[in-house]
Amino acid sequence: DAKTTQPNSMESNEEEPVHLPCNHSTISGTDYIHWYRQLPSQGPEYVIHGLTSNVNNRMASLAIAEDRKSSTLILHRATLRDAAVYYCIPRGSQGNLIFGKGTKLSVKP
Amino acid sequence: SAVISQKPSRDICQRGTSLTIQCQVDSQVTMMFWYRQQPGQSLTLIATANQGSEATYESGFVIDKFPISRPNLTFSTLTVSNMSPEDSSIYLCSVESGVYTEAFFGQGTRLTVV
Repeated sequence: DAKTTQPNSMESNEEEPVHLPCNHSTISGTDYIHWYRQLPSQGPEYVIHGLTSNVNNRMASLAIAEDRKSSTLILHRATLRDAAVYYCIPRGSQGNLIFGKGTKLSVKP
Repeated sequence: SAVISQKPSRDICQRGTSLTIQCQVDSQVTMMFWYRQQPGQSLTLIATANQGSEATYESGFVIDKFPISRPNLTFSTLTVSNMSPEDSSIYLCSVESGVYTEAFFGQGTRLTVV
């Protein structure tokens, strides 16, 4: 499994964009990059995943570096409900979801 | 999407006893997983629950301590056996339809061993 490095914590102001970085320099060529988040007292929930191209969905955007050694999850307008721990997880076809420590995002009103 | 119901949502148990946690999904799913989340920590995968075969355990977890059943495509149980205070954690069930699809998680079972 590829090792990931994420900041322990980040702060954002409400309604401002947030860029959550993740380094995964040992990622395999066929590993997808998955992002999940865990709100307080809840199970994790899926945010987005991608392989090479940037991806968008209703929750967020995922920007993947050309060499795939890093990626950035972008929340376009943070809300108080986005306060959570965000996990970046490289995952191959035979692999399981292995959670690292993640980034704890705080959102200030 | 999949809706997962875990029971119980929380429990306080005496050391040396066992607790069985149930995970019910509202649709048939291929892959079911059990995770543990110790206080203030990230999630750790315990095992993959395979329908019709033995569960596959991750390093550090053994069947005698965490027996798992998967009798059909919508249900699984995890038993925490011979509990000690170190087993106090949140236990979560997760399901997926495939590796490249999203995983869904239950709300977890908060276990306290006294």
